Amino acid sequence: DAKTTQPNSMESNEEEPVHLPCNHSTISGTDYIHWYRQLPSQGPEYVIHGLTSNVNNRMASLAIAEDRKSSTLILHRATLRDAAVYYCILRDAINNDMRFGAGTRLTVKP
Amino acid sequence: EPEVTQTPSHQVTQMGQEVILRCVPISNHLYFYWYRQILGQKVEFLVSFYNNEISEKSEIFDDQFSVERPDGSNFTLKIRSTKLEDSAMYFCASSESGAGANVLTFGAGSRLTVL
Repeated sequence: DAKTTQPNSMESNEEEPVHLPCNHSTISGTDYIHWYRQLPSQGPEYVIHGLTSNVNNRMASLAIAEDRKSSTLILHRATLRDAAVYYCILRDAINNDMRFGAGTRLTVKP
Repeated sequence: EPEVTQTPSHQVTQMGQEVILRCVPISNHLYFYWYRQILGQKVEFLVSFYNNEISEKSEIFDDQFSVERPDGSNFTLKIRSTKLEDSAMYFCASSESGAGANVLTFGAGSRLTVL
């Protein structure tokens, strides 16, 4: 899987939007962009994924740059429960070994 | 919502003992995975499994480790002779399809403590 770069940590205030950036300048045309998160003392949890177009689901939105070299996970209204480590991962069309980086630790302040 | 179930939630073992961690993947999923997370570190891929054989494995997954799908529902990770450094959370995951757009569902994990 191609490499991604994320900030080590970010802070947000409760009930405000959060934009979590991810750079993936070596992305290939068939790589999907996935986001997972890991709440404290829990297993990783799927958040959202996309290929080229922006995506929305009940948890979040994914904004993908036109050149696909970066993406942003958007939490529209952060809650205390959203405090977690967020992982941006590229998945290619062939290999079945999804690998996690260090992710971004999101702290949500009340 | 369907979930991946792991047992035991916590196992304590002596160094050198064999350990089997068990997982029940989501019933219509065909791809299965094991990950581990040493305390305070990142989640590390160990192995993926499809059609009764290993499809990918990491450098961590050496001869001490093996996986098996002994029946239609369970997926197991065996550590033959545990070492202190095997102490970690072990997460099982499953997915409907492999690679690309496939989404993994993870279990809550099994904590292994090796004394």
